[in-house]
Amino acid sequence: QVQLKESGPGLVQPSQTLSLTCTVSGLSLTSKSVSWIRQPPGKGLEWMGVIWSNGGTDYNSAIKSRLSISRDTSKSQVFLKMNSLQTEDTAMYFCARIWRVFDYWGQGVMVTVSS
Amino acid sequence: EIVLTQSPTTMAASPGEKVTITCRASSSVSYMHWYQQKPGASPKPWIYDTSKLASGVPNRFSGSGSGTSYSLTISSMETEDTATYYCQQWSRNSPTFGAGTKLELK
Repeated sequence: QVQLKESGPGLVQPSQTLSLTCTVSGLSLTSKSVSWIRQPPGKGLEWMGVIWSNGGTDYNSAIKSRLSISRDTSKSQVFLKMNSLQTEDTAMYFCARIWRVFDYWGQGVMVTVSS
Repeated sequence: EIVLTQSPTTMAASPGEKVTITCRASSSVSYMHWYQQKPGASPKPWIYDTSKLASGVPNRFSGSGSGTSYSLTISSMETEDTATYYCQQWSRNSPTFGAGTKLELK
């Protein structure tokens, strides 16, 4: 069955770079696309970006200058890197598979930006 | 970027009551999708392509709309429907979400 699982540091210092990994199973990254979506505590969902099945990427224009999404298809992993973190980047970070909708989601990883 | 405005922000419904949540888009979109999220859990796809129910979604739920106005309706509120519902559109490779509607039990 399809599963996605996010991993990464729970705490990042301001101005530092966040690196997260989404490990997938039950799906091929060369046939399905994966997005990153985040949710600040008590707030709504914000789409961050996508890596398409062909390896191309698209990003939310609001954070495009700070964000990079890549993948390693041999390891079934999708990566997120975002630099210059600020306290407002504190959020639960989810990866999700795309099929018409975001149909499978990981459990999320909570990232706190604090010194 | 297309902005989605949901209303109401919060509402309470009694068991058996009909519930309607609306989502208005700042520009016309082809489809609207809806997600259900309960506290501490990841969002779940609930309605896709405006009116298609995701797997396992009870048929008391329905979706409708076109252009800039869409809605999610529960024909008869049940306890398990308490959650936050988000609408979402995908236009020009830039998806956006509504701010959410928190549905509580009265």
